Amino acid sequence: EPEVTQTPSHQVTQMGQEVILRCVPISNHLYFYWYRQILGQKVEFLVSFYNNEISEKSEIFDDQFSVERPDGSNFTLKIRSTKLEDSAMYFCASSEVTPDRGVGNTIYFGEGSWLTVV
Amino acid sequence: GQNIDQPTEMTATEGAIVQINCTYQTSGFNGLFWYQQHAGEAPTFLSYNVLDGLEEKGRFSSFLSRSKGYSYLLLKELQMKDSASYLCAVRDSNYQLIWGAGTKLIIKP
Repeated sequence: EPEVTQTPSHQVTQMGQEVILRCVPISNHLYFYWYRQILGQKVEFLVSFYNNEISEKSEIFDDQFSVERPDGSNFTLKIRSTKLEDSAMYFCASSEVTPDRGVGNTIYFGEGSWLTVV
Repeated sequence: GQNIDQPTEMTATEGAIVQINCTYQTSGFNGLFWYQQHAGEAPTFLSYNVLDGLEEKGRFSSFLSRSKGYSYLLLKELQMKDSASYLCAVRDSNYQLIWGAGTKLIIKP
C-alpha cells in the first residue's frame, strides 16, 4: 500500500538552528499538509499546500516556518530559528484531488518526525 | 471559537463494546473523521462521515448528527490491540482539520 514517508524520524537540534523536515507524499496525491503534536497534546494543523502554494495556514505557522515543494516528489517544512517550544512530533500528510470530488476525504499520515530542541 | 470535545479516557473489557462520543462547534462543516493513534505513532484513518447516519466498517462504526454537532465511534468485540487514543477531527469551512484532544481507550482482559 502506498504510504507517506518522512525523514528524519528523529532530530535533536540546538535552539536557534534551522531545521528542515522532509516528506514524500503518496505519488498521485496533490494536497499536502503539515501537522504537529506536542507530547501529550492534541494534533494541531500547521499548513496545507496545493498547486505549489499555501492553501491554508494556522496561527502557529508564523514567519519562522516555511514549506516548499522543491521537486516533483518532496515536500519540506523548514523551521528557521528553532525554539524550545518547537519540540514536537511533526506529521506530514497527503490526500488526493479529483476533478469531480475535489480534495479527498481520507488524509494519509506519515510516521512523523520527532524534533527535540535543546 | 472552534471546539471539539471528547472524553479524556475510557476503560473497557476485552470482547465488549465501547462508544466514544464527540461533540463539536466549528465554523462550517465538511466532514468528521475518526483516527486511531497508538502512542508515539501517526494517526491512522478509521472513518469519515459527512451525512447524518451510521457508517459501518467491520468492528468499527461511526455515527453523525449534524444538527446536534455530535458523533460517536462504536467499537465492537474489543481486542487488546484496540488500546489506543481515538481522535475526533472536523474539517471546517476552510478545509482545515480541527482536532479533539483524543480519548485514551484502555482495554482490560
